Amino acid sequence: EDKVVQSPLSLVVHEGDTVTLNCSYEVTNFRSLLWYKQEKKAPTFLFMLTSSGIEKKSGRLSSILDKKELFSILNITATQTGDSAIYLCAVEESRGGPGTYKYIFGTGTRLKVLA
Amino acid sequence: DTGVSQDPRHKITKRGQNVTFRCDPISEHNRLYWYRQTLGQGPEFLTYFQNEAQLEKSRLLSDRFSAERPKGSFSTLEIQRTEQGDSAMYLCASSLGRGENEQFFGPGTRLTVL
Repeated sequence: EDKVVQSPLSLVVHEGDTVTLNCSYEVTNFRSLLWYKQEKKAPTFLFMLTSSGIEKKSGRLSSILDKKELFSILNITATQTGDSAIYLCAVEESRGGPGTYKYIFGTGTRLKVLA
Repeated sequence: DTGVSQDPRHKITKRGQNVTFRCDPISEHNRLYWYRQTLGQGPEFLTYFQNEAQLEKSRLLSDRFSAERPKGSFSTLEIQRTEQGDSAMYLCASSLGRGENEQFFGPGTRLTVL
């Protein structure tokens, strides 16, 4: 069965620390991997990764994909209290038919940054 | 605001009642997705539309659930004969359908079934 597994499930750090969040996946027809940040409401998009080894960066956040080992990491440097959220990883899977895709989400990593 | 919108934001209903939720995607997006999210879990895929065609439906979606996107714009998700286990956040997302297929989520409809 296709699955997306995130680790750790939760993490508590202090402001200024660097964190690494992991996402591993097993899907039949991988198309892309996405990271989202979810605070109290709906997930907000962070990154989409389709190619191995190419780092995507946005401010203090960066992410990279390894399609051989089937995982991705999300790094946050110099964490701030505003980074406290659930970070979700989702894999887009091609379903074979024209235009048919499906997203499989992990359960998320709950990050808490203490002042 | 040109983001994804959902209505209502909250719905409380009694067991056995029918409920209908609406999602308005970003205007040029031709893909629309419905998800269900419960506490401590990531969003679970329910169904997906490309324009007005429903292309994928999760086996999680029982016969009590139906979704439509009649003109390829807004979509509705109906739950008939609600059960307490249907209580969850129902999220809608849309994407452009070409190039980098990022999904943009709406604020969700929180359903509570008493």
